[in-house]
Amino acid sequence: NAGVTQTPKFRILKIGQSMTLQCTQDMNHNYMYWYRQDPGMGLKLIYYSVGAGITDKGEVPNGYNVSRSTTEDFPLRLELAAPSQTSVYFCASTMGGKLFFGSGTQLSVL
Amino acid sequence: ELKVEQNPLFLSMQEGKNYTIYCNYSTTSDRLYWYRQDPGKSLESLFVLLSNGAVKQEGRLMASLDTKARLSTLHITAAVHDLSATYFCAVEAGSARQLTFGSGTQLTVLP
Repeated sequence: NAGVTQTPKFRILKIGQSMTLQCTQDMNHNYMYWYRQDPGMGLKLIYYSVGAGITDKGEVPNGYNVSRSTTEDFPLRLELAAPSQTSVYFCASTMGGKLFFGSGTQLSVL
Repeated sequence: ELKVEQNPLFLSMQEGKNYTIYCNYSTTSDRLYWYRQDPGKSLESLFVLLSNGAVKQEGRLMASLDTKARLSTLHITAAVHDLSATYFCAVEAGSARQLTFGSGTQLTVLP
């Protein structure tokens, strides 16, 4: 049972480039989330999904997009990367109750 | 907008001492979570508190929830070096069970 799997673990982008952060869970969880964590700070919610085909904005959605075509996958798309998007990104899922986190993606935009 | 405040933000304590981390939140919620994060790692679930008066204990850590006061505490008993980490509380609110996190308490246990 792999849990929540995120790829890549590290990435460096140039300003203006785009990329997709992948997130897959094998626990059949309905709820999935993307958070970002800036250095020395707590986690802020970017986007979330309550099931396949349903997504909604969190606290800090600007500059990001998501899709949820299957229960398992919840990719996060960065368009036109900016230095302000340098952060660690965590994907998480739950059926209600404890949140299961992926290992994180450390992204630097230079 | 739900706000979650932790204090202190930084805590240095000697081994063997006791201390408490506080988590205050601004809106009604019956669910509160505590997580631990080691440097460069993901978050590890410590406690899930689901009702007023809930108390959970695991080893040297004990968490409690007072929903009327909108306050949770994480009590550390006889601290050891292995407890050095950042501790986050998170409050659940919203139809999608979203968590709002505090800023974290960076705990350093000194020998």
